[in-house]
This record gives sequence, C-alpha cells and structure tokens, in this order.
Amino acid sequence: GEDVEQSLFLSVREGDSSVINCTYTDSSSTYLYWYKQEPGAGLQLLTYIFSNMDMKQDQRLTVLLNKKDKHLSLRIADTQTGDSAIYFCAERRYNNNDMRFGAGTRLTVKP
Amino acid sequence: ETGVTQTPRHLVMGMTNKKSLKCEQHLGHNAMYWYKQSAKKPLELMFVYSLEERVENNSVPSRFSPECPNSSHLFLHLHTLQPEDSALYLCASSQDGTGFGELFFGEGSRLTVL
Repeated sequence: GEDVEQSLFLSVREGDSSVINCTYTDSSSTYLYWYKQEPGAGLQLLTYIFSNMDMKQDQRLTVLLNKKDKHLSLRIADTQTGDSAIYFCAERRYNNNDMRFGAGTRLTVKP
Repeated sequence: ETGVTQTPRHLVMGMTNKKSLKCEQHLGHNAMYWYKQSAKKPLELMFVYSLEERVENNSVPSRFSPECPNSSHLFLHLHTLQPEDSALYLCASSQDGTGFGELFFGEGSRLTVL
C-alpha cells in the first residue's frame, strides 16, 4: 500500500469546518506537511508540524498529530469557496531527500 | 509566484520525439527536484539534485534524463516516451536536501504523449 493515505474527496458547505485526514506509516518521520494545490498550479505549503508536537494552529488552520496512531489531520475553520483545492499530506524523514505525498484530498466547498 | 518557473507549461509529443522540460528557481536554493503527478498515482519523486549532484534516482526509466548544470536550473530530457508517461511534471526546490526542507513548487509542465 501507499506510505501516506488520504481519502480522495470531501465536500462541505461554505462556513462549515472541514477536516481532512491522513495516515502515514513511517514512525521515524520527523516533519509532516500539508500542501494545497489549486487548479492549474503547483503545490504550495500550507502548514507543517514537527513530530514532537501534537497540535499547531495558524489562523483558520489547525493541525493535529497523533503519533501513536500515525494520524495527521487538517481542520479548516469557516471554510470558504476559495479553499476548494486538492490538499496533500506529506511526510519527510530527517536527512532524507524523499518527501512522501499522499494521493491528495479534493475539497469542494458549496455555497 | 513561488520563485520556481517551469517551461513549457504544456507539451504534446510523439513517441519518437526528443524534448526537454526546463525549471529555473530564483530563490537561491541548493536542492532541486522532479516529481511526476498522474491521475493514477500520488506524487512520485523522480530525481533529486543537491548542490548540482544527483543524490536520488527513484528507479526512473532511462527515457527520462535529468540535467542540473547549476543550482538554479534543472532540465528533464525526454526521449522515446510512452503514452503512460503523460502526466504533470512538477519541479521543486528547497534550501537544501535535508532537514525541514520546505519544497517550493513550480506550476508544472503538462505532458501529453501521443
């Protein structure tokens, strides 16, 4: 199976919260990331968390890390139509050039 | 504008053609990457260069040939590709190839092989 797994689709209404989940398999992963890809564009780093943290908040974004279960989530509060995009979870081991990405979750925000 | 520019944005080629994708970064980074993004698979790392030396090659077929003449430029030379090579090819750079290493991505080159 894939190293990093995400559900492929999520649909929410504008103003609701979105929660995108991710599981990874490498317990030595040191950094975990969320990237956003808008149509026709490359990936852009949204936020990241170091593996010795369990939560990080940045404005409307909250990242939760459960290292025991190797589970990462991204919560977007007050989701807007501009948040519609594909969200990629990624893991990286320290001193390793390979950043492993999940397949991406396509978030659709309905008015 | 991420500071990473890829050309061309779109490329259509036949299986016998030879073409190249170009990537340029204006961020002063030391590491550059080629990723393949297709509908069927997650982002796949193809090549990593750190300080112009190739440090990783994830078993990519030889019909893909990378070149990194300096730390700002990265090429992907394409030769006798197959239709299944049609994908979005993303270039990225990072400050170096280790540690935290936030990746800055270009917008990608959409390749179609006929």
